[in-house]
Amino acid sequence: GAVVSQHPSWVICKSGTSVKIECRSLDFQATTMFWYRQFPKQSLMLMATSNEGSKATYEQGVEKDKFLINHASLTLSTLTVTSAHPEDSSFYICSARGGRDGYTFGSGTRLTVV
Amino acid sequence: QKEVEQDPGPLSVPEGAIVSLNCTYSNSAFQYFMWYRQYSRKGPELLMYTYSSGNKEDGRFTAQVDKSSKYISLFIRDSQPSDSATYLCAMNQGGANNLFFGTGTRLTVIP
Repeated sequence: GAVVSQHPSWVICKSGTSVKIECRSLDFQATTMFWYRQFPKQSLMLMATSNEGSKATYEQGVEKDKFLINHASLTLSTLTVTSAHPEDSSFYICSARGGRDGYTFGSGTRLTVV
Repeated sequence: QKEVEQDPGPLSVPEGAIVSLNCTYSNSAFQYFMWYRQYSRKGPELLMYTYSSGNKEDGRFTAQVDKSSKYISLFIRDSQPSDSATYLCAMNQGGANNLFFGTGTRLTVIP
């Protein structure tokens, strides 16, 4: 089946630094990538949608200058959390549209900002 | 009103029990319905995928969609401790649209 590789699986960073999270579709071309944020015991909250080669569409309330999304190729999308603060600590998950299963999720990245 | 409503549980059942998980939704345009299983600190994995109304069975899992009531269900027969996870319903109109998720139901199957 379709596989989306997400890295890193966890990261700890200092407040004020930037963190990049990568998602790669390994065996299919991901025409659309979705980025989610998930708080403990809560569901996935859509942050943004990106299509290869175009600017991402951000959901209301999500700061585009803080959460930079790049979808430069059909197999790679990145989310960069800029100037991270403790309140940005969360579980971030990507999902790729494409492949036989329709929507395939990465394994998630647990970000802790100290 | 949320697009998708799901009882967050938690739900605890003994091993071998039949589990019933449910979601309701408000958007009559939704055509595609999925159930995902998510283990702690992992990404969701697709369990069942259903288009429009009807039933779909896959091993111990059965998904039901009742579009007239805007109600979907996932049944797990002969539940196992390895089924302990959070189950998320998701749905959309189709195309390249984003999925709308329920809050997830946390299930524990007790040996």
